[in-house]
Amino acid sequence: DTGVSQDPRHKITKRGQNVTFRCDPISEHNRLYWYRQTLGQGPEFLTYFQNEAQLEKSRLLSDRFSAERPKGSFSTLEIQRTEQGDSAMYLCASSPGISYEQYFGPGTRLTVT
Amino acid sequence: DQQVKQNSPSLSVQEGRISILNCDYTNSMFDYFLWYKKYPAEGPTFLISISSIKDKNEDGRFTVFLNKSAKHLSLHIVPSQPGDSAVYFCAASPLSGAGSYQLTFGKGTKLSVIP
Repeated sequence: DTGVSQDPRHKITKRGQNVTFRCDPISEHNRLYWYRQTLGQGPEFLTYFQNEAQLEKSRLLSDRFSAERPKGSFSTLEIQRTEQGDSAMYLCASSPGISYEQYFGPGTRLTVT
Repeated sequence: DQQVKQNSPSLSVQEGRISILNCDYTNSMFDYFLWYKKYPAEGPTFLISISSIKDKNEDGRFTVFLNKSAKHLSLHIVPSQPGDSAVYFCAASPLSGAGSYQLTFGKGTKLSVIP
């Protein structure tokens, strides 16, 4: 099964530290998305890429957040100077061609202490 | 401002009966709608979708109904099975223009199917 994979699955960090998450989409999917989910809420859109181009960014994505997809394959999401409010599940999804159906990975759970 | 609303946080249904999950939306630019199922410690799994040119889409035990004038959609699961117990999210997107490909989710409804 070559679904969306994310690494790490869990990350505990101290406030002020930087963290980086990786997402590997389904092969041949040219769109890749990042979402954030907090307790009791649905996933909230952060940003998306078509191939290597970052096409949309939510206002939720402060300047401490940066995402890259350098070769149009895997993507990284970096959070600098983490804050306790950054504690959440970070979900990655991918989709093929013009499909609107997005396929999610298992997520990375971030805890900032 | 919640643009996609799932007003029932939870629902309990007997095995074999119908489960009906509801979703309302406020943004008239939304014209593609999806349902996802989520188990604990897993990412959401795509279930079924519908575009605004249709009012019904069926896939096995799952049927989604769309009432565009009421800005309301529902997911019917018949018959319900214990393995259907999960949190169900409604999501929506415009098909073109600003926000297309960007899913807006509701808060979810936790379905419990009782054996």
